[in-house]
Amino acid sequence: EDQVTQSPEALRLQEGESSSLNCSYTVSGLRGLFWYRQDPGKGPEFLFTLYSAGEEKEKERLKATLTKKESFLHITAPKPEDSATYLCAVQDYGGSQGNLIFGKGTKLSVKP
Amino acid sequence: DVKVTQSSRYLVKRTGEKVFLECVQDMDHENMFWYRQDPGLGLRLIYFSYDVKMKEKGDIPEGYSVSREKKERFSLILESASTNQTSMYLCASSLGRAGNTIYFGEGSWLTVV
Repeated sequence: EDQVTQSPEALRLQEGESSSLNCSYTVSGLRGLFWYRQDPGKGPEFLFTLYSAGEEKEKERLKATLTKKESFLHITAPKPEDSATYLCAVQDYGGSQGNLIFGKGTKLSVKP
Repeated sequence: DVKVTQSSRYLVKRTGEKVFLECVQDMDHENMFWYRQDPGLGLRLIYFSYDVKMKEKGDIPEGYSVSREKKERFSLILESASTNQTSMYLCASSLGRAGNTIYFGEGSWLTVV
């Protein structure tokens, strides 16, 4: 059974304090790993897709990396506006039409 | 820009009412999805559709049905709303080939009283 586990559940950082969020996954065959950002009361906003181990993607202060078992979302010098819940999701080759299996998310709070 | 629009952001319905949640996408995507999101449970797939008039059950289809009469529109129907269906409902869409990004709407908050 496909599984996605995100850690930590919650993370509090001071502005400028870099850190990483973890997403561990178990799938029969990874078609893609997705990172989303979700603000309170809103739908998830797409950030990155990673397809193969060793791949990296960057956007502003965020950098996503992928290994065969996990993905990391690195946040460099975060700002208060980076506060949100970050969701990781995977697509399995055996899954139907690209459905995503989601982790429960990491709630990030960045204090000024 | 990608656009998935959910017609109602906030709804309050009574137990036993029939509820329609509407979703429209303007990207000519083949796939459309309905998820619900609950604290501690994350996002769970209710139904998805990979073509007009086609649908498949997700992980939690009980108590729900869907309709896709046109490619751009996907409706979620609660035949007889119950309090345990109080939740945030998220519509999403993607291009037909698996591996493509799934884009989400803003969500519909449904409260059943």
